[in-house]
Amino acid sequence: DVKVTQSSRYLVKRTGEKVFLECVQDMDHENMFWYRQDPGLGLRLIYFSYDVKMKEKGDIPEGYSVSREKKERFSLILESASTNQTSMYLCASSLGFRGNSGANVLTFGAGSRLTVL
Amino acid sequence: AQSVAQPEDQVNVAEGNPLTVKCTYSVSGNPYLFWYVQYPNRGLQFLLKYITGDNLVKGSYGFEAEFNKSQTSFHLKKPSALVSDSALYFCAVRALNTGGFKTIFGAGTRLFVKA
Repeated sequence: DVKVTQSSRYLVKRTGEKVFLECVQDMDHENMFWYRQDPGLGLRLIYFSYDVKMKEKGDIPEGYSVSREKKERFSLILESASTNQTSMYLCASSLGFRGNSGANVLTFGAGSRLTVL
Repeated sequence: AQSVAQPEDQVNVAEGNPLTVKCTYSVSGNPYLFWYVQYPNRGLQFLLKYITGDNLVKGSYGFEAEFNKSQTSFHLKKPSALVSDSALYFCAVRALNTGGFKTIFGAGTRLFVKA
């Protein structure tokens, strides 16, 4: 069964800590995404990557960075966690954007719920 | 700018009754439209998508959606609801002419199906 695996389901961190959220996919997908999900706001795109070592800012990149050193792995980094970054973080992947690629479906991980105290 | 609106925070329906979850969108160019579902403590799962062709699209678990270009809507429907359909539903849009890779999601609609 194809999978997007997020390394931590629940994390509790303190303000100012550096936080790493890891995501691994086994589908050989070119594209990977990080979203955060908040009640009433839906999913908001933080960063995405369409190739190894490539990254693009989404709609809310402030306070976050990402790393994609290998095709299967996309990491989200909070350099100095703040309480307003308490949220559910969802990683997703999809095939690359060629041809009729706008139709490509996103495959999501189970999510990482981060609480910053 | 692209946007997706789900006007109802919550939809309540009795088991066996038809259900509709509403979605409207705003994009420039031809849209690709999607519905995803999120069950408790799980990530989102793909339900169905509209690319082109027939305005009525059929998807997983008996769900279907109707694309209406003049009303810029893509409502999710099911003829007979099940208690197990209770979940959070997200409408999403991707517009090709932006050349971008972003999928824009609505705020979500929580569906409660009562036995």
